[in-house]
Amino acid sequence: GENVEQHPSTLSVQEGDSAVIKCTYSDSASNYFPWYKQELGKRPQLIIDIRSNVGEKKDQRIAVTLNKTAKHFSLHITETQPEDSAVYFCARTNFGNEKLTFGTGTRLTIIP
Amino acid sequence: NAGVMQNPRHLVRRRGQEARLRCSPMKGHSHVYWYRQLPEEGLKFMVYLQKENIIDESGMPKERFSAEFPKEGPSILRIQQVVRGDSAAYFCASSPTRVDFATNEKLFFGSGTQLSVL
Repeated sequence: GENVEQHPSTLSVQEGDSAVIKCTYSDSASNYFPWYKQELGKRPQLIIDIRSNVGEKKDQRIAVTLNKTAKHFSLHITETQPEDSAVYFCARTNFGNEKLTFGTGTRLTIIP
Repeated sequence: NAGVMQNPRHLVRRRGQEARLRCSPMKGHSHVYWYRQLPEEGLKFMVYLQKENIIDESGMPKERFSAEFPKEGPSILRIQQVVRGDSAAYFCASSPTRVDFATNEKLFFGSGTQLSVL
């Protein structure tokens, strides 16, 4: 189906360390994978996305990797800062489909 | 250039009342997508509308929920006879044409409406 599994559900890291969140999907037709960051009571904000024609994309301290063979993609945050604390959601869809399927979220806490 | 606007931000209803949630798309956008986020969960697609047309309502509950996007004015998500399980955050997004993720298009959400049913 179109489900997305996201792990871990909670993650605490020391400030300055790296955080990694992983999502797996089952629909092999998936080829668009965005990541959203949601602070408490706020809208989900798109922070990075990747399409299936590339294996990795980086934007400053944030990177996303995609393994199409294994059907998983991961969010990497380096040099974490307190403002990185939020809930992060992965999502997927396939080209031609307007619906995003979201993971269940990871609550990331950065410990000062 | 204002983004997607949703109102009200917070809506409190008693069981059995009606809830009306409004979404004004970005200027020049005629396609709207509604998502629901239950507490501690990810967003789930509800419905996709183009002006005066419902394109995909596969995520809408079969009863009590309806959506419209008239020629003039915002898109409305209407929930009749609300129950406690309807308590959630409702987000919408918009695009100028049907969103095509194969290009560099992305989906940006409005600030949402938090519906609380007492």
